[in-house]
Amino acid sequence: EAGVAQSPRYKIIEKRQSVAFWCNPISGHATLYWYQQILGQGPKLLIQFQNNGVVDDSQLPKDRFSAERLKGVDSTLKIQPAKLEDSAVYLCASSLGTAGLIASSYEQYFGPGTRLTVT
Amino acid sequence: DAKTTQPTSMDCAEGRAANLPCNHSTISGNEYVYWYRQIHSQGPQYIIHGLKNNETNEMASLIITEDRKSSTLILPHATLRDTAVYYCIVSSGGGADGLTFGKGTHLIIQP
Repeated sequence: EAGVAQSPRYKIIEKRQSVAFWCNPISGHATLYWYQQILGQGPKLLIQFQNNGVVDDSQLPKDRFSAERLKGVDSTLKIQPAKLEDSAVYLCASSLGTAGLIASSYEQYFGPGTRLTVT
Repeated sequence: DAKTTQPTSMDCAEGRAANLPCNHSTISGNEYVYWYRQIHSQGPQYIIHGLKNNETNEMASLIITEDRKSSTLILPHATLRDTAVYYCIVSSGGGADGLTFGKGTHLIIQP
C-alpha cells in the first residue's frame, strides 16, 4: 500500500513570498490533516478535512494560511505572505476517518513532511 | 483532550526492554491513550492505542493502570532503530480527530 505522499520535500523562500505544499493521502482515506512542526516541538494540528469539507481549522492562521481539498483526495496548503516564524516541517496525515468499529481507523498515517525555511 | 506528562529523555541498552512512562491524570472515561513515535527526519508513526485494557501488538505493549491515570509503553527488545521521540497522546475521537502532541520522550538506545 502506498503511503502519504508530499511535495516538495524541501523549500527555501524569503519572507513575504508565497509557498504551496501538496499532499496525496492513502487511497480511500476520507480524513486528511495538516500539521506544523517547529524544531524541538511536537506537531501541531493546523486543519482537518473530512472528504472535501473542513472539520477543524481553529489553529490555522487564516490571515496568511489557506488549505483546500477540492475533490476530496489531494490537498494543498498555502502560505502567503510567509514570515520567519513559519519555518517548520509541514506534515500531512490521513486516516480512514471512521471511529468506532474498525481498529485500523484509529491510526493516522503521516507523510515525510515538507521542510520550509523562511529567510 | 487531557494533558500528558512524559520524561524529556531516556536511555536504554540494546536488547533490553524499554519502558516509557506517561502520566495522564485528567483523562476522562471516553478518552483513548495513543502512542506514536517519530524517527529523525520522518513523520510520526502509530504504535499502539488502548482504552482500559492492556494491549499488545507486533511493535509494543501498552500497560494502562486501573485508574487510567498513567500508562507505560514497553518495547520488549529494543534495537538501535527504536531510537526516536515517543509521544503519548490522549484523545476522545478515535482516529478521526486531530492529535495534540506534546514534546514527547527522546528514547536513545545505546549499543
